[in-house]
Amino acid sequence: ETGVTQTPRHLVMGMTNKKSLKCEQHLGHNAMYWYKQSAKKPLELMFVYNFKEQTENNSVPSRFSPECPNSSHLFLHLHTLQPEDSALYLCASSQGRDRVWDTEAFFGQGTRLTVV
Amino acid sequence: GQNIDQPTEMTATEGAIVQINCTYQTSGFNGLFWYQQHAGEAPTFLSYNVLDGLEEKGRFSSFLSRSKGYSYLLLKELQMKDSASYLCAGMDSNYQLIWGAGTKLIIKP
Repeated sequence: ETGVTQTPRHLVMGMTNKKSLKCEQHLGHNAMYWYKQSAKKPLELMFVYNFKEQTENNSVPSRFSPECPNSSHLFLHLHTLQPEDSALYLCASSQGRDRVWDTEAFFGQGTRLTVV
Repeated sequence: GQNIDQPTEMTATEGAIVQINCTYQTSGFNGLFWYQQHAGEAPTFLSYNVLDGLEEKGRFSSFLSRSKGYSYLLLKELQMKDSASYLCAGMDSNYQLIWGAGTKLIIKP
């Protein structure tokens, strides 16, 4: 148990479906992240929210839409995905940057997404 | 560009010692992280180095040389449960983590 919970753990969706991934942290952190992890590739940072404001969007296609209603919850809305989007999607949180050193990131167990 | 290099896979024997190397190129540097990730599980934090030298935590140690852009993770007295992927990540001047692809460590009896 890392303090970061992701649901669902596994998701199979068709290319025309709309689904959402959820992440919740109870660590009192102010920064939350979405990462994509594909086999044998580095973790790819997708989105960063720092104090509920989106501070990073690493050229992610618009079929991925993040939402951060508060500092404890993060969503990733999925729409008309492609088979190559199949991967493990990891959520992470950290204390957050407020002109001080940030700390290590704590990860959720991820959602294994398969697009068919 | 920013880059982290580490071996794709390593094999070691139970009870032995293994060293996993990582070289990094980042825009600015605010530290080097090591994470452990068992198959199907979340990455978990192992160590953080920002100054040169060796940091020891039980069976695991992490080393950093900023002048060489180099780090290693040393695992002693290997146990079967140490079979996992080990992720190296450098933090750049914007406090962003730049990740390596991970080293899959296989422990054999």
